Amino acid sequence: KAGVTQTPRYLIKTRGQQVTLSCSPISGHRSVSWYQQTPGQGLQFLFEYFSETQRNKGNFPGRFSGRQFSNSRSEMNVSTLELGDSALYLCASSSTGLTGELFFGEGSRLTVL
Amino acid sequence: GQQLNQSPQSMFIQEGEDVSMNCTSSSIFNTWLWYKQDPGEGPVLLIALYKAGELTSNGRLTAQFGITRKDSFLNISASIPSDVGIYFCAGPMGTGNQFYFGTGTSLTVIP
Repeated sequence: KAGVTQTPRYLIKTRGQQVTLSCSPISGHRSVSWYQQTPGQGLQFLFEYFSETQRNKGNFPGRFSGRQFSNSRSEMNVSTLELGDSALYLCASSSTGLTGELFFGEGSRLTVL
Repeated sequence: GQQLNQSPQSMFIQEGEDVSMNCTSSSIFNTWLWYKQDPGEGPVLLIALYKAGELTSNGRLTAQFGITRKDSFLNISASIPSDVGIYFCAGPMGTGNQFYFGTGTSLTVIP
């Protein structure tokens, strides 16, 4: 069974640009969550999508957005990048509709210069 | 917001030794998850706990759901070099699959 796939693995952007990250969940998983990981703040919840609907959202500014497609693949977008957005962005999928176990991808490492 | 405090923050142990770490929260949880993250990788689920007092094992790893529901513990027996990594606990923020993650315990195993 293939795991969670995230692309790209690494990317470098400059301040003010925008970025789109992609996540393909484990086949059959309908819940996709996104987390930001930084040395200072640790792992922080961004948002969760279930059946193409945003079910939950963390405490991040509106520059962070996402969506989920009918095949459960998800994308997240960060607009007007700031230096502080440099982080490892992790996608996780889950098979259950309720609180369940998260299966993470390897992450997309974003560096903002 | 909610913070999950893990201790110790880091550990340096000899191969073969047992390891104990814990996670505490200010709120009651009905689920505890334990993850391990290797450098450059995403976290991998080790153990999931769903009931207060529950004790669950996964090979050399054993985790317990504290009876107060505000803490959880992870033990690793007879550590080996591949146990090196950062261990995170996680508890649910509310409905759905949104979780608070702990501050992490970094484990170094000296051969």
